[in-house]
Amino acid sequence: KAGVTQTPRYLIKTRGQQVTLSCSPISGHRSVSWYQQTPGQGLQFLFEYFSETQRNKGNFPGRFSGRQFSNSRSEMNVSTLELGDSALYLCASSPKTGGGTEAFFGQGTRLTVV
Amino acid sequence: GENVEQHPSTLSVQEGDSAVIKCTYSDSASNYFPWYKQELGKGPQLIIDIRSNVGEKKDQRIAVTLNKTAKHFSLHITETQPEDSAVYFCAASPNTGNQFYFGTGTSLTVIP
Repeated sequence: KAGVTQTPRYLIKTRGQQVTLSCSPISGHRSVSWYQQTPGQGLQFLFEYFSETQRNKGNFPGRFSGRQFSNSRSEMNVSTLELGDSALYLCASSPKTGGGTEAFFGQGTRLTVV
Repeated sequence: GENVEQHPSTLSVQEGDSAVIKCTYSDSASNYFPWYKQELGKGPQLIIDIRSNVGEKKDQRIAVTLNKTAKHFSLHITETQPEDSAVYFCAASPNTGNQFYFGTGTSLTVIP
């Protein structure tokens, strides 16, 4: 079974631009969660999507948004990029929602804002 | 919200020795506790997990224990090998969704 696929692996953007990251979950998994990983803040939850609906949202500004498609693939968008948005963005795939469920991570997208 | 603390932040052991990493959590509603291993340039890899109705779980050289009363859980790695060197994260998840609260990570170095 193929794992979680995130594209692109690396991105360099300029302050003020916007960016879209993509995540394809494990086949059959319907829940996709996004996390931001930085040296200073560690792994922080952004949001979870299940069946094309946002189920949970972390404490991030509205510049961070996401969506999920009918095939469970998910995208996250960051608008008006700031230097502090530089991070590794990780996507996690789970077979179901509701808690107590294994989550499998992709390799991440390394975003650098200059 | 949930607060997960993880200790130590760095750990060095001789090959063949055991390694123990400890975490505490604050929210009694948390009922699922996974452990992840992250190697340089890779995403976190799930290595073992435990649910709140279980006190201990073992998978070959890796074991996890959970004390719900004290809100503690720990990862035990026996017979460590150089390939165990990585950053390890604990996490806690409430029963309301797939939101994980992560500890700050432990950088484990196994010295050959």
